[in-house]
Amino acid sequence: KNEVEQSPQNLTAQEGEFITINCSYSVGISALHWLQQHPGGGIVSLFMLSSGKKKHGRLIATINIQEKHSSLHITASHPRDSAVYICAVRSWETSGSRLTFGEGTQLTVNP
Amino acid sequence: GAGVSQSPSNKVTEKGKDVELRCDPISGHTALYWYRQRLGQGLEFLIYFQGNSAPDKSGLPSDRFSAERTGESVSTLTIQRTQQEDSAVYLCASSLVGGTGGAEQYFGPGTRLTVT
Repeated sequence: KNEVEQSPQNLTAQEGEFITINCSYSVGISALHWLQQHPGGGIVSLFMLSSGKKKHGRLIATINIQEKHSSLHITASHPRDSAVYICAVRSWETSGSRLTFGEGTQLTVNP
Repeated sequence: GAGVSQSPSNKVTEKGKDVELRCDPISGHTALYWYRQRLGQGLEFLIYFQGNSAPDKSGLPSDRFSAERTGESVSTLTIQRTQQEDSAVYLCASSLVGGTGGAEQYFGPGTRLTVT
């Protein structure tokens, strides 16, 4: 079992829909990251969080430390949101420095 | 300011040859990471540098892989005697600080390595 699991693996939505991507992890963490990988391969960090909730524009990330679960929400989705969304954790149980990644969620938003 | 840069952007090499990949982190970032992404797969940690501390090499897949970093600047990842399974995109990231708390990581564009 992977230390970080994401669901769904693939998600297709219509423009304007509210989107949720889930991430569950099995280790103790010091931080959780949400990353966006564009079709060309470039990776952008969206959020780093260790508790509660963060919001940036139409993106919202939440984390529940007790349940070892995080969600990434996209409101009013747009075709330009189409990308792979990756959850990654920094675990104090393994190495304090490395990130362990989920397999990613491929999001396609159709116009 | 300039982001993380990597060179070359693409590298095609023959099996058995050595390759060297370069990463220029954001100026002032003390932490530098190398990751690998094989086609259709997730990202894998390779190695982490933090200032002048000993690097965390725990993710290197074999002794054919090595990396160096000069102070808090450029890093090179060297793969000796390349194998076809080394074909992947090699990504470098840097952050202001490292360690357990860490900080947001900024990724370079990657080097796509193809071993024929």
